[in-house]
Amino acid sequence: KNEVEQSPQNLTAQEGEFITINCSYSVGISALHWLQQHPGGGIVSLFMLSSGKKKHGRLIATINIQEKHSSLHITASHPRDSAVYICAVADPNSGYALNFGKGTSLLVTP
Amino acid sequence: DSGVTQTPKHLITATGQRVTLRCSPRSGDLSVYWYQQSLDQGLQFLIHYYNGEERAKGNILERFSAQQFPDLHSELNLSSLELGDSALYFCASAVGTSGPTQYFGPGTRLLVL
Repeated sequence: KNEVEQSPQNLTAQEGEFITINCSYSVGISALHWLQQHPGGGIVSLFMLSSGKKKHGRLIATINIQEKHSSLHITASHPRDSAVYICAVADPNSGYALNFGKGTSLLVTP
Repeated sequence: DSGVTQTPKHLITATGQRVTLRCSPRSGDLSVYWYQQSLDQGLQFLIHYYNGEERAKGNILERFSAQQFPDLHSELNLSSLELGDSALYFCASAVGTSGPTQYFGPGTRLLVL
């Protein structure tokens, strides 16, 4: 099983700060997913990455396949970014079901 | 709105009972994945269906079963419920099986008393 580790577990930032969340995995993959879970429980898919870098608004995700590492960056953070951010890798042996990290709980204060 | 619907949103039941959770995938998606999120285990994969056929099993208990119907909606059946089955149950749908983006439903929150 692909072990997925995230850091930090909890993160508090002030509005406007640049935020980085890290994810590492143990076995080579075809794709990595970043998900956002709101306080109400809903899960939204932010990115799916197989190489390089993707950007969507203030969110940037990067992946280094050789080092088995990915980062999620949030620029100019805002209180509405407060959520749990979850890294997940797709397991080809399980129909590409997701294997999840434990999540990073982010709180952005005004 | 992901386009994936799950019913019911909340379910409270007693130990030993049986419940059925329902998931309707996005239009055109053939894959349905079921996931469980509990406080102690986090998010974990239960089972995957593609176009009516079971494709993969994860950490699904023998007391749990699922199926996907010809109209592609899926049901997760949980029986002989225990306190530890209290969790959020999500389904996610995807177009195929080769690792595309998965779209999550809003979840069903199950409380077993």
